[in-house]
Amino acid sequence: EPEVTQTPSHQVTQMGQEVILRCVPISNHLYFYWYRQILGQKVEFLVSFYNNEISEKSEIFDDQFSVERPDGSNFTLKIRSTKLEDSAMYFCASSEYNEQFFGPGTRLTVL
Amino acid sequence: ELKVEQNPLFLSMQEGKNYTIYCNYSTTSDRLYWYRQDPGKSLESLFVLLSNGAVKQEGRLMASLDTKARLSTLHITAAVHDLSATYFCAGIQGAQKLVFGQGTRLTINP
Repeated sequence: EPEVTQTPSHQVTQMGQEVILRCVPISNHLYFYWYRQILGQKVEFLVSFYNNEISEKSEIFDDQFSVERPDGSNFTLKIRSTKLEDSAMYFCASSEYNEQFFGPGTRLTVL
Repeated sequence: ELKVEQNPLFLSMQEGKNYTIYCNYSTTSDRLYWYRQDPGKSLESLFVLLSNGAVKQEGRLMASLDTKARLSTLHITAAVHDLSATYFCAGIQGAQKLVFGQGTRLTINP
């Protein structure tokens, strides 16, 4: 069964460093998303992406965040200058129509 | 702006019992979703409810949607330990933005 994959599974970085989180959505899906979940809290929407552009973003998704689809398969989230409060689990998701399928997540730890 | 509230947030129950998790949402949502999350894991899609009166069942779980009351329920029948997890409901805001509830941590004891 097709699934969303994410790399790395765990990323540790120093405050102020740039990180890139990678995702491979399900191949025939057209909509891609990033969500995050701070430990013990609910899942929060960051951004949606369709037709090679951002279709919607939350107030969390400020100028330090960017997304890209550099080729036909990968979808990336870049955080330019990480802060301590960026520590969270980051989930990529993709959908064809109504149902969003989530990847296993990348646990980002900012020290 | 859509807000989604679940209750209870914590639920401890015995195997074999029935219980219901409630999900209220504040404004119109075209669809309502239920996800399951095991500790340290991703979100597994359980149900997508598309219209008023929709009812879906999978094994011991049944989800329903009442758009007029802005309420969805997840009913657990004859609970078994394997159903222990955190359950999230989510509404949809705009075209594709999922807005999640706080989650209900369900523990099923033998």
